[in-house]
Amino acid sequence: SQKIEQNSEALNIQEGKTATLTCNYTNYSPAYLQWYRQDPGRGPVFLLLIRENEKEKRKERLKVTFDTTLKQSLFHITASQPADSATYLCALDRGGSYIPTFGRGTSLIVHP
Amino acid sequence: GAGVSQSPSNKVTEKGKDVELRCDPISGHTALYWYRQSLGQGLEFLIYFQGNSAPDKSGLPSDRFSAERTGGSVSTLTIQRTQQEDSAVYLCASSLAPSGGATGELFFGEGSRLTVL
Repeated sequence: SQKIEQNSEALNIQEGKTATLTCNYTNYSPAYLQWYRQDPGRGPVFLLLIRENEKEKRKERLKVTFDTTLKQSLFHITASQPADSATYLCALDRGGSYIPTFGRGTSLIVHP
Repeated sequence: GAGVSQSPSNKVTEKGKDVELRCDPISGHTALYWYRQSLGQGLEFLIYFQGNSAPDKSGLPSDRFSAERTGGSVSTLTIQRTQQEDSAVYLCASSLAPSGGATGELFFGEGSRLTVL
């Protein structure tokens, strides 16, 4: 069955360091992958979309990579700040049906 | 407002009662999604509307769940004969029509928290 895996353990890092979150998938051939941020009690907020033919995408302090051979996406936040603390969700399309399937998310905690 | 609006924000009901959750998407967004999120869980897809096409109901967990979208805008998710396992946050999202093979950015509402006693 199709599966999306994100580390269920919270990632704790110090302010100023680079945070790296992982999204692995199996039995998928996604055309694109999205990353969202979710704060407690709020709806997810879109951050970045990367297509299968793109290796890397950047937006300000954010960088996403997409390796379709490894079936993995890495999400990096450089110069992390306490305000970056949140849960980060990855989402893959369901084979072109335009319905993103979400992972469970990884909680990031940035300590001052 | 310019964002996706959901109501009620909180709903407490007794087991066996029916509930209706409302979603007002961003104007001009032809795609509308319902997901639910249980405590500590990921987002579970429920139903997808795209323009005038028949909705994709493949995520609805049982026939107690139904949804409609009137006039291509407002959507209502109805849960009949609620059960305790229906307790969750129900999230609505809208987006522009797909292009270039991708859905693009989903805009989520703040969710409706349903508690079934």
